[in-house]
Amino acid sequence: NAGVMQNPRHLVRRRGQEARLRCSPVKGHSHVYWYRQLPEEGLKFMVYLQKENIIDESGMPKERFSAEFPKEGPSILRIQQVVRGDSAAYFCASSSRTGSNQPQHFGDGTRLSIL
Amino acid sequence: DAKTTQPTSMDCAEGRAANLPCNHSTISGNEYVYWYRQIHSQGPQYIIHGLKNNETNEMASLIITEDRKSSTLILPHATLRDTAVYYCIVRADNTNAGKSTFGDGTTLTVKP
Repeated sequence: NAGVMQNPRHLVRRRGQEARLRCSPVKGHSHVYWYRQLPEEGLKFMVYLQKENIIDESGMPKERFSAEFPKEGPSILRIQQVVRGDSAAYFCASSSRTGSNQPQHFGDGTRLSIL
Repeated sequence: DAKTTQPTSMDCAEGRAANLPCNHSTISGNEYVYWYRQIHSQGPQYIIHGLKNNETNEMASLIITEDRKSSTLILPHATLRDTAVYYCIVRADNTNAGKSTFGDGTTLTVKP
């Protein structure tokens, strides 16, 4: 019974390249959340998606960042033209339903390093 | 979501109970209290959550005061592996309730 799977665990990119982070939610979960954790800081919400729909993207930077959760396949967080400040751990969480009585279960994250 | 206040750090002796407090004085009636922990380099791990009543599971107990303005997470017999950052979060029951707002948490150090 696999939990949230994220890959890659570590990703190194040079400035200006694109980074693609993948998240496979817990089997049966249709709600996915992305968070970013800068070094020595707490997690910051980025975006909440339900299958094929973006529900809340209030934490997403306005440029270069996008997220999708297609009908089939994992959720993807895409960062275009990466900069040094994008270096962080990116965590994905999933839940079976919406509502505040539904725990979010987290993956172990992707550590993105920008050279 | 309501803001939470937690002590920055706490120590606990191995085998003793660890009691982690959290203040959430502005909590609304429909907001749940959640506890997560993050062990270095891992993702946050869900521990427990509750609305009004005290809750207990295989990991911990959650005690919520009657006025719901504060809560305490109890690890009954702390082990060295319980050393982690513990986050107390409140989440509103909005129609599209999604995000969890993480603060700085409490760094719990369990000592031999």
